Amino acid sequence: DVKVTQSSRYLVKRTGEKVFLECVQDMDHENMFWYRQDPGLGLRLIYFSYDVKMKEKGDIPEGYSVSREKKERFSLILESASTNQTSMYLCASSLPTYQETQYFGPGTRLLVL
Amino acid sequence: QKEVEQDPGPLSVPEGAIVSLNCTYSNSAFQYFMWYRQYSRKGPELLMYTYSSGNKEDGRFTAQVDKSSKYISLFIRDSQPSDSATYLCAMSPYSGAGSYQLTFGKGTKLSVIP
Repeated sequence: DVKVTQSSRYLVKRTGEKVFLECVQDMDHENMFWYRQDPGLGLRLIYFSYDVKMKEKGDIPEGYSVSREKKERFSLILESASTNQTSMYLCASSLPTYQETQYFGPGTRLLVL
Repeated sequence: QKEVEQDPGPLSVPEGAIVSLNCTYSNSAFQYFMWYRQYSRKGPELLMYTYSSGNKEDGRFTAQVDKSSKYISLFIRDSQPSDSATYLCAMSPYSGAGSYQLTFGKGTKLSVIP
């Protein structure tokens, strides 16, 4: 059974803090993605990675960075959290040949005060 | 014009009703079409996947694609309260290495009332 896990379900941070969101998949997928989901705006792609140490910007990369040191792990970093980064963060993974089928984690609900 | 349009609802139906959820799109290169279901405070889960035009059925769910009209639909027969969720359409232009991004609709929130 496919499994994407995220390190936290809920997180509360202060403005200016450095925030790490971790995502791990156990399906040996090459592709991994970070989205944020906001009411009225839907899912927006922040970054994706198609291989270890490779990354590509999505639609809204500003204020975020990512790290992929191992195939199964993809981290999203908020260098200096701001209140407008309060959101639901979703990680997903897929195979490159069936890349259309993305498997999502349960999400991390981040509140920045 | 947004690439994918989806009515956000909310849509409220009685148990047992037939539900029709729809998306329109503008990019004629889209060939792969998906429906995801997302329960409250959970991640989306893949429900249906179709390629190009035509129908695909899986139990109570039927996905339809009309590429000539750039219109996709998800039908739910004999709807159940457990179908209450947000339904997201998603699509991509082609498969294979180098094509990684899905374009999502904003989702339609469905409530099935017992």
